[in-house]
Amino acid sequence: EVQLLESGGGLAQPGGSLRLSCVASGFSFSNYVMGWVRQAPGQGLEWVSGITGYGSVQYADFVRGRFTVSRDNSKNTVYLQIDSLRAEDTAVYYCVKSYGRDDFWGQGTLVTVSS
Amino acid sequence: EIQMTQSPSSLSAFLGDRVTITCRASQGVGNHLVWFQQKPGKAPKSLIYDMSTLQSGVPSRFSGTGSGTEFTLTISSLQPEDLATYYCQQYNTYPLTFGGGTKVEIK
Repeated sequence: EVQLLESGGGLAQPGGSLRLSCVASGFSFSNYVMGWVRQAPGQGLEWVSGITGYGSVQYADFVRGRFTVSRDNSKNTVYLQIDSLRAEDTAVYYCVKSYGRDDFWGQGTLVTVSS
Repeated sequence: EIQMTQSPSSLSAFLGDRVTITCRASQGVGNHLVWFQQKPGKAPKSLIYDMSTLQSGVPSRFSGTGSGTEFTLTISSLQPEDLATYYCQQYNTYPLTFGGGTKVEIK
């Protein structure tokens, strides 16, 4: 059974940093692209970043160098580092396995940026 | 960035009605289009991928059609459990992009 377990969310100060983690199980992790999608309260879905099994990364235009995605295939884990946090980064961050036929979403981790 | 324009943003229909949601891409995305259903407080769930292929376990009342830039999600007979917000997403070109969502309500 495929599982994605996100962690690392919580309350953070503007200008601070957070690292989100997503531990995967139930599939051959290194063979799949992994991604992050966020959803601000009451808003729509927004793709954030993706990383292929061998580490090629892609980002949404709004990221502008503040987000860094990485993965450790030995730990079946994908990370999202968010720096220079802003209030508008407040959202549920979903970890996503693949796109299309084999996709799977985690339950999300809430990031709240507030002083 | 490819813009995905989804319409309508909300709709209200009777049980048993046929419901159609449209998604237009600002440039061609081939058939790399997925439709998601999101119920309140839950993670999105994909219904249809590659524009028209039903995910395993999804009821056959859901269907997807389209061309390279215009796509349609149809619910042939609206059921109570279809109350949700629906999103399209193109996965043809980075950055991946979503439509704005369509909230489906029951009259």
